[in-house]
Amino acid sequence: AQSVTQLGSHVSVSEGALVLLRCNYSSSVPPYLFWYVQYPNQGLQLLLKYTSAATLVKGINGFEAEFKKSETSFHLTKPSAHMRDAAEYFCAVSVPNRDDKIIFGKGTRLHILP
Amino acid sequence: NAGVTQTPKFQVLKTGQSMTLQCAQDMNHNSMYWYRQDPGMGLRLIYYSASEGTTDKGEVPNGYNVSRLNKREFSLRLESAAPSQTSVYFCASSEGRGSYNEKLFFGSGTQLSVL
Repeated sequence: AQSVTQLGSHVSVSEGALVLLRCNYSSSVPPYLFWYVQYPNQGLQLLLKYTSAATLVKGINGFEAEFKKSETSFHLTKPSAHMRDAAEYFCAVSVPNRDDKIIFGKGTRLHILP
Repeated sequence: NAGVTQTPKFQVLKTGQSMTLQCAQDMNHNSMYWYRQDPGMGLRLIYYSASEGTTDKGEVPNGYNVSRLNKREFSLRLESAAPSQTSVYFCASSEGRGSYNEKLFFGSGTQLSVL
C-alpha cells in the first residue's frame, strides 16, 4: 500500500529564510502527490499537486515542490518565509487506477521566527 | 459559497453515548470522505463514498458507520462512543467518482471529546 513519511514534526525557520519541508513516498507504481496546508482552527487547503506532468510543481503562496523518482521524494520549498506561512503542512499520496483513497502523512508544523 | 459544512463544531459525549456528525456540500461533488485528525498522527481516513449510494472503509473504520444520504450529504455515526474516539473530525469532498488525482475540499472540522 502507498504511504508517505514526513521528516520532522516541527520545523522552525527565520522570516525571510528558505523553507524546506521533507516528504518521502512509498508506492509500487508512480503515485500522485499532494501538499496541503492547515491554518489554526481550519480545514486543510490544497497547496499543490503532482499528477505525472512536470516534475517541478508550483503552488499557491509561493510554494513549489519537486518530484524526484530516484529519491522517492516530494519536498516542499519556498524561497523566503513569511509570518503568515506558520501552519501545519501535510504531504499526501494516492495511486492512480488503484483505489479512491488519498493517504496523508503525519504533518509538519512550520514555525516562523521573527 | 458555503463549500463543505459540518455540524456540530464541538461536542462532548459520555462513554457509550451515540451521536451523528453531519456533513453537506453544495458543489455537486461525487466523492465524500470522513477523516479524523489526532496529534502526531496526521489525518486518517475513516470512510469514503465515491458516489451516491456507495461507501467504503478507510484506514480506521472500527466503531463508526456512515450514510450517504444523497449526493450532498454524508453522515458519520458513532454508535457507542469511546474515549479513543476523542479527535477532530473532518469531512471532505471532491468532484470526481474516485478522486485519486483531485483536490479535496475540507470542512472546518468537528472537535469531539468522549469522557
